[in-house]
Amino acid sequence: SQKIEQNSEALNIQEGKTATLTCNYTNYSPAYLQWYRQDPGRGPVFLLLIRENEKEKRKERLKVTFDTTLKQSLFHITASQPADSATYLCALSGRIDMRFGAGTRLTVKP
Amino acid sequence: NAGVTQTPKFQVLKTGQSMTLQCAQDMNHNSMYWYRQDPGMGLRLIYYSASEGTTDKGEVPNGYNVSRLNKREFSLRLESAAPSQTSVYFCASSEAWGWAGELFFGEGSRLTVL
Repeated sequence: SQKIEQNSEALNIQEGKTATLTCNYTNYSPAYLQWYRQDPGRGPVFLLLIRENEKEKRKERLKVTFDTTLKQSLFHITASQPADSATYLCALSGRIDMRFGAGTRLTVKP
Repeated sequence: NAGVTQTPKFQVLKTGQSMTLQCAQDMNHNSMYWYRQDPGMGLRLIYYSASEGTTDKGEVPNGYNVSRLNKREFSLRLESAAPSQTSVYFCASSEAWGWAGELFFGEGSRLTVL
């Protein structure tokens, strides 16, 4: 069955460091991979989309990589700030649906 | 712009009661979705509507019905609520069909079934 795993439930880092979150998948051939941010008690908010034929995409302090051979996406936040503290969800979409990982809760400490 | 609006935000039901979650979007999007979010399980798709007048089952449709009332509104109905339906429900919309577009989510409806 299809499985999406995000590296850990929680990640704690120091302000100014780079946060790296992992999204691994099995039994799936996604055409697109998206990352969302979710704050407590709020709905997810779209951050970035990367296509299967793209290796990397950047937006301000965010960078996403997509390796269809390893079946993995890495999501980086450089120069992290306490305001980046949130849960980050990866979502894979193919022809017939979009599936989400359970999320990684990132805490950036000052 | 309100984006995607869900009502109610909170609801407590007794087992066997029925209720309808309402969702409206003001972005003129064609596609709308209902997801549920449970701890440790991620968002799971209940039903979706690719366009006005069409609806399809997602990953976990049992116990739910939907209505795409018009292009703006997509409602989710629980006919006979069960404790297993205790969850946070999110409505979302997207401009594109084919799962290629970004989803715009509402703020969620928190449902507890006793």
